[in-house]
Amino acid sequence: QSALTQPASVSGSPGQSITISCTGTSSDVGGYNYVSWYQQHPGKAPKVIIYEVSNRPSGVFNRFSGSKSGNTASLTISGLQAEDEADYYCSSYTTSSTLVVFGGGTKLTVL
Amino acid sequence: QVQLQESGPELVKPSETLSLTCSVSGGSINNYYWSWIRQPPGKGLEWIGYVYYSGRTNYNPSLKGRVTISVDTSKSQFSLKVTSVTAADTAVYYCATRTTLITPYDFEIWGQGTMVTVSS
Repeated sequence: QSALTQPASVSGSPGQSITISCTGTSSDVGGYNYVSWYQQHPGKAPKVIIYEVSNRPSGVFNRFSGSKSGNTASLTISGLQAEDEADYYCSSYTTSSTLVVFGGGTKLTVL
Repeated sequence: QVQLQESGPELVKPSETLSLTCSVSGGSINNYYWSWIRQPPGKGLEWIGYVYYSGRTNYNPSLKGRVTISVDTSKSQFSLKVTSVTAADTAVYYCATRTTLITPYDFEIWGQGTMVTVSS
């Protein structure tokens, strides 16, 4: 069981917006701004698309945005494109001895 | 731009030690945190631990003391050892880091990953 809770799957049509949630506790997501999101295509290494809750690395499209409210972080992808179909993972710093925890991952299907 | 490349055996026997190396190129190994993350087939990501360039380490306690991560700055490499492996250690192993900020909490650069299978 992952420390952070994500929906197993979400789907949307091209051009639509979707949001993926990532729920933790005050010891991780809710207490600190070290929340990151990763996109992983099949057979590839993960790629960071958001770090520190809402910052986009250079080269990541502004269709990807992150936010946080309480113990839940969210990744929103607007203007869905076929190439957005992938697995998405959140992660967070945690005060537990684990230090870094990941969510279980969400499979995004573009219909 | 820093690049990472994992290397090591793809097959390890149960009860033996898994050993992987990550080679750092395109930048300095100094001043950053260097991490290992793994992903069992069809499953999610698990943080294994990190080594700071100074040699300071931190490990995921779920691995129950079986993990050692070390750094060799003269070779621009860092390494992972997992002892007493079982089938549950079968996974793709990634090395990763972030160089736009000195932090061990997120990962902007990843190696391509190496699949390690534990089997007799």
